[in-house]
Amino acid sequence: QKEVEQDPGPLSVPEGAIVSLNCTYSNSAFQYFMWYRQYSRKGPELLMYTYSSGNKEDGRFTAQVDKSSKYISLFIRDSQPSDSATYLCAMSEGSGNKLVFGAGTILRVKS
Amino acid sequence: SAVISQKPSRDICQRGTSLTIQCQVDSQVTMMFWYRQQPGQSLTLIATANQGSEATYESGFVIDKFPISRPNLTFSTLTVSNMSPEDSSIYLCSFYRVAGELFFGEGSRLTVL
Repeated sequence: QKEVEQDPGPLSVPEGAIVSLNCTYSNSAFQYFMWYRQYSRKGPELLMYTYSSGNKEDGRFTAQVDKSSKYISLFIRDSQPSDSATYLCAMSEGSGNKLVFGAGTILRVKS
Repeated sequence: SAVISQKPSRDICQRGTSLTIQCQVDSQVTMMFWYRQQPGQSLTLIATANQGSEATYESGFVIDKFPISRPNLTFSTLTVSNMSPEDSSIYLCSFYRVAGELFFGEGSRLTVL
């Protein structure tokens, strides 16, 4: 069993849709949770960073962490074609510790 | 904000050869991290490179195959030795720009024939 599981997609949605991206994990010691966005032929860029359980909102993006279920989500409201990218979840036991990544979900937003 | 420059951005290599990837950061950083991203797979940490000491390798990665240099606080190299088609991948260097934020270069895309 992989330490972090993420559905690779692709996920195809119409412009304006609400997108839900998810990861599950097995290591209960994970405390820091991140979402990265990676455009084709580019390095990953950090989108959201969350410590422990709860929600965090930044513009059209909301990150949710449920440590009791070992489940994290990223919601994208009013999705745009420019959101088309691969979204990677990542997590670590401590700030500055080794990051463990999911395989990434390919998102395509159609105009 | 700091910028990472990686060279080469892409290369096509022959089986059995070696290639060195360079990573230059425009500010001093203590630790640099080298990742591999194989097609359809997670980013996997290869090793952590500290200036002035040997790199620390993750399980499954060895120094003979992926020698790393870290001559100063702004530069590191990763060599992929005796390449095979299984080494075809994107190789990324990274560092923690602020607490918890791992910042990546744009990657070096290697194809081994």
